[in-house]
Amino acid sequence: KNQVEQSPQSLIILEGKNCTLQCNYTVSPFSNLRWYKQDTGRGPVSLTIMTFSENTKSNGRYTATLDADTKQSSLHITASQLSDSASYICVVIESGGSYIPTFGRGTSLIVHP
Amino acid sequence: SQTIHQWPATLVQPVGSPLSLECTVEGTSNPNLYWYRQAAGRGLQLLFYSVGIGQISSEVPQNLSASRPQDRQFILSSKKLLLSDSGFYLCAWSVRLAGVYEQYFGPGTRLTVT
Repeated sequence: KNQVEQSPQSLIILEGKNCTLQCNYTVSPFSNLRWYKQDTGRGPVSLTIMTFSENTKSNGRYTATLDADTKQSSLHITASQLSDSASYICVVIESGGSYIPTFGRGTSLIVHP
Repeated sequence: SQTIHQWPATLVQPVGSPLSLECTVEGTSNPNLYWYRQAAGRGLQLLFYSVGIGQISSEVPQNLSASRPQDRQFILSSKKLLLSDSGFYLCAWSVRLAGVYEQYFGPGTRLTVT
């Protein structure tokens, strides 16, 4: 069964600090992995998308890494801002057939001033 | 550019009442369409997906149903709501670009069943 596990479940950091969120998956065969940011009461918004051959991808202060061998990904946030407070969701897509993604439960990040 | 609309944004309905949530997509044709539910503190749960008009696949047995009467319209319905139907409902669409599926979410509908 395809699964995506995220850790930690929640995280509280001070503004300006860095943090790293983790994602482990068992989805196979693998097509691509993406990280979404979901503000409270809003739909998720894509941050990064990585295919099998990509090890790292950045989007501003967000940097995602992917190790397809160990089936792990991380999302690193640099110099956090109050607006980074949100839920971060890891999603893994299986290759072939219809697009049915497997979602992690998300990491709830709170940035305090 | 592509846009996805959902309405209403919030809804409070009594137990046993019917439900109809609508989702429309602009700026693309023949998209895959999805309905997700997100309960408080939980991840997204795929309810239905559609690869074309009249083609609906259900991922979770429940008292909800979905229909796709037009290429860019996806409707989520229920004849009688349960308390457990409360949650945040998200419509999404996806399209294959350069060999990679892109998925975009709508703004969501907050449903409270009382």
